[in-house]
Amino acid sequence: GAGVSQSPSNKVTEKGKDVELRCDPISGHTALYWYRQRLGQGLEFLIYFQGNSAPDKSGLPSDRFSAERTGESVSTLTIQRTQQEDSAVYLCASSSLSLTGELFFGEGSRLTVL
Amino acid sequence: RKEVEQDPGPFNVPEGATVAFNCTYSNSASQSFFWYRQDCRKEPKLLMSVYSSGNEDGRFTAQLNRASQYISLLIRDSKLSDSATYLCVAPRDSSYKLIFGSGTRLLVRP
Repeated sequence: GAGVSQSPSNKVTEKGKDVELRCDPISGHTALYWYRQRLGQGLEFLIYFQGNSAPDKSGLPSDRFSAERTGESVSTLTIQRTQQEDSAVYLCASSSLSLTGELFFGEGSRLTVL
Repeated sequence: RKEVEQDPGPFNVPEGATVAFNCTYSNSASQSFFWYRQDCRKEPKLLMSVYSSGNEDGRFTAQLNRASQYISLLIRDSKLSDSATYLCVAPRDSSYKLIFGSGTRLLVRP
């Protein structure tokens, strides 16, 4: 479809392993966001891309988290040396800057760290 | 003070009731606000934008009160299908960094 696509939809990993989460935004959307949602909680802002640059990385919880975006398209969120507190749903959203505020979300990547 | 604050609820109302949620925000310079809806284990989806003059879409009305720094969502004639979590959204500093409230849960009972 033409929506935001995220993969994997579910990931179970062992503590200490690295994981990579992928987001394919809607074609033509220049803005891309990553949020984290722990069970029963709200959305926690992680990072925002405008084109391929990230003007605001202040939401990344620690230096174990990094994200990149290439070709103003696909983005990857990498978590190194995962910890149990990293368990959450990681939501990606994209937006056309001409429609500020309307974020189109993917279905999320559910990460479980054992 | 949280940047965007909401009463978590749950608000438990009968079908046909009118229910209202408020959301307070801390950044007085914020210009644009939104309400999103999130169903259980689903991604959030835009419900409506909030304009200075207020905004109505069918049974839903959104209002902005800049003086008191809050926005509201009014749902009239509640339906069972309105049961969901309603998320308030405001920009932090630039208009593109959108901060979500923790959400208000609504349960509409038969």
